[in-house]
Formats: sequence, C-alpha cells, structure tokens
Amino acid sequence: AQSVTQLGSHVSVSEGALVLLRCNYSSSVPPYLFWYVQYPNQGLQLLLKYTTGATLVKGINGFEAEFKKSETSFHLTKPSAHMSDAAEYFCAVSDRSGTYKYIFGTGTRLKVLA
Amino acid sequence: DSGVTQTPKHLITATGQRVTLRCSPRSGDLSVYWYQQSLDQGLQFLIQYYNGEERAKGNILERFSAQQFPDLHSELNLSSLELGDSALYFCASSVALAGGGETQYFGPGTRLLVL
Repeated sequence: AQSVTQLGSHVSVSEGALVLLRCNYSSSVPPYLFWYVQYPNQGLQLLLKYTTGATLVKGINGFEAEFKKSETSFHLTKPSAHMSDAAEYFCAVSDRSGTYKYIFGTGTRLKVLA
Repeated sequence: DSGVTQTPKHLITATGQRVTLRCSPRSGDLSVYWYQQSLDQGLQFLIQYYNGEERAKGNILERFSAQQFPDLHSELNLSSLELGDSALYFCASSVALAGGGETQYFGPGTRLLVL
C-alpha cells in the first residue's frame, strides 16, 4: 500500500537560514507528489507538485522540491526562511493507477526564529 | 481565497446527533474531495466525487455519507455523532479527473465540535 512519511513533526530554523522539510514515499511506481502549506485557521494551499518531466520543481513563495526516484524522496527546500513561512507543511502522494486517492503525510510544523 | 466555499464555519452539536456539511467547489471544477483533520489522525481522505458520481473512498465511516448534486455542490452527512468525530472537515475541488495529478483547491474547513 502506498504511504508517505514526513520526518520531523516540528522543525525550527532561524530567519534567513535554509529550510529543509523531508518527505519519503513508499510505492513501487513513483506517484504524483505534492507539497501543501496550511497557515493557522486556514485550508491547505498547493506549494508545488511533481507529475512528470523535470525533477526539480519550483513552487510559490520561493520553495522548491526535487524528486529523487532512487531515494523515493521529494524534499522541500527554501534557501532563506522568512517569518511568514511559519506554518504546517504537508507532503501528499497520489498514485498513477487511477484510483484517485490522495494520501497525506502527518505534517511538519515549521517555526522560524527571529 | 481558493474559490472553494464551505458552510458552516463552526458547528457545535451533541453526541448522537446528525449534521450536514456543505461545500461549493470552484467554478468549473467537477471533482470534490472530503477530508477529516484531527490531532490524532492527521489529514485523512474520506471520499471523492466526480460530476455527481462517487469515484474513490478512503477512511470514511459507515455513519458518514456524502453526495454531489447536479449543480456540483457536495454535502457530507455525519450521523450518530461521537466525541471522536470532533475535527476539522475540509472540502477540496479540482478541475478534472486527470489520473490523480491534478491540483486540489481546499476550502477553509468546517470545525465540528461534538459535546
């Protein structure tokens, strides 16, 4: 069965430092991969997604993620953290077989320190 | 603003009761998804509808049901409510059924509290 793992339920970084949020998936066939962000008391918003093509995907707000098939990973990065990046981040997968099910990771809460 | 609307924003009810949550997708979106978000279970996919038909089921309890109407809005019905059903319920929509790679747009959620 397909699954997604986010390492680290809480991550703290200093303002201006690199942000790295980890996501690994478990699937025999690489799935579609997504990163969503949830700000307090709001719904989820898509940051970026990988479906096909270039493995380095650029998203909104300066975030990017790289699909690495050999490592079954889709880690999210941002070169320089801003205070406004403090939120919860969810990695999600959807398989390519047409079952249309989306599976979300448990989320990583990012804290940005001044 | 994602364009997905959900009503009500907050709902407080008692155990054993039944409630209906409503979702209006973005204009032009044919797919609607329902999710439950709780502290202990995280974000769980419940069910998906596409153009009025059920297309995928996740961890949806038998006490829960959903439907999508001809105008594409959707309702999630929760019955025989238990304390553990207290959660944030999200609706999301997407344009089409493109094999699972389409972007989902989330509504602001309905916060349900069962007392």
